[in-house]
Amino acid sequence: GDSVTQMEGPVTLSEEAFLTINCTYTATGYPSLFWYVQYPGEGLQLLLKATKADDKGSNKGFEATYRKETTSFHLEKGSVQVSDSAVYFCALSVQDGSARQLTFGSGTQLTVLP
Amino acid sequence: KAGVTQTPRYLIKTRGQQVTLSCSPISGHRSVSWYQQTPGQGLQFLFEYFSETQRNKGNFPGRFSGRQFSNSRSEMNVSTLELGDSALYLCASSLATSGNTIYFGEGSWLTVV
Repeated sequence: GDSVTQMEGPVTLSEEAFLTINCTYTATGYPSLFWYVQYPGEGLQLLLKATKADDKGSNKGFEATYRKETTSFHLEKGSVQVSDSAVYFCALSVQDGSARQLTFGSGTQLTVLP
Repeated sequence: KAGVTQTPRYLIKTRGQQVTLSCSPISGHRSVSWYQQTPGQGLQFLFEYFSETQRNKGNFPGRFSGRQFSNSRSEMNVSTLELGDSALYLCASSLATSGNTIYFGEGSWLTVV
């Protein structure tokens, strides 16, 4: 079945440090890939997405490139801020026929210290 | 436009009771899905509805059920609650087209005591 493997956390960084959160996937079809972020006590917010190979999703300084050859979708940010502290989830969606669902990684807790 | 709205946000139930959670999708979205989030199991897919029909179901017991109404609003029900059902239940909606984003509500926090 489909699965997403995410970098184990928690990750603690100083403000303005470079962030990478690794994400790899296995999928039976051709997936769309997503990064969602969850702030404490809240639901999931879409951070960025990519729907085909070599697409780069970007938002709020975060980027991720859909690499079909390595089945990866690593999240990066050049300079993190305290406000980026949250849990980050990598996810994929393969539309099998008419049904849609997301398969999530286990999440990576990011803490950014001032 | 308004996002995905879930009610209630917080609730406490006793073992053996049942609970109904409600979700209003983004206007125009006809696909509604539900997820359970727990510290131990992470985010797990419960089911997805489109045009009042369940199209897909995750690996949960029959105590978990749902439905969708003609206006795309959805409800999920859990009967005979167990302590392990304590979780954040997230509703999500999307256009039913491949590659379209799935948007989440803020969730309903269920505590079973």
